[in-house]
Amino acid sequence: SQQGEEDPQALSIQEGENATMNCSYKTSINNLQWYRQNSGRGLVHLILIRSNEREKHSGRLRVTLDTSKKSSSLLITASRAADTASYFCATDALTQKLVFGQGTRLTINP
Amino acid sequence: AAGVIQSPRHLIKEKRETATLKCYPIPRHDTVYWYQQGPGQDPQFLISFYEKMQSDKGSIPDRFSAQQFSDYHSELNMSSLELGDSALYFCASKQGESSGANVLTFGAGSRLTVL
Repeated sequence: SQQGEEDPQALSIQEGENATMNCSYKTSINNLQWYRQNSGRGLVHLILIRSNEREKHSGRLRVTLDTSKKSSSLLITASRAADTASYFCATDALTQKLVFGQGTRLTINP
Repeated sequence: AAGVIQSPRHLIKEKRETATLKCYPIPRHDTVYWYQQGPGQDPQFLISFYEKMQSDKGSIPDRFSAQQFSDYHSELNMSSLELGDSALYFCASKQGESSGANVLTFGAGSRLTVL
């Protein structure tokens, strides 16, 4: 990956459980975003956290950012079967282009 | 609401052929990005345009070229296709190169298969 690693690469949990995905990056950033991708489809923006923020919530999503460790986590609470997808973190710096991590493939079992 | 439109959705080509992918951004979006995503890979940035000028360049092969037209749509031209060019190609758009929140809206992608 151009930017870093996502951990785990694949995660399978039962419906109703919480899912936590981690992302590490290599360079200084302006923002970090999480995107979701259903199999073979386009990427959909989920949430953005700025470099001066430490935590952000949006519905069932909670994102944390630790710039000292260059890492972020995405927590999805009370997972649903429809949450099955790949999740990518993406960072941007001065050049504005988004650089994506390798993604976590999340499977929610009914 | 209008989204980013990409065409064609699927394309099959032979090695050494050429292919052209088109992207129509959301109305009033003046910035377009192209990404390539191989099987099981993360999206890799290729190139971007702002107000019809190239604004950034990533890992785009010399065999590929792109441009943004006066109506802000963009085309990615790929020549001398290789098997390794088989991938999903995404276009994304946003309004304003330096808008504060760098959130991109992605199209559904064009799947290129090179045989």
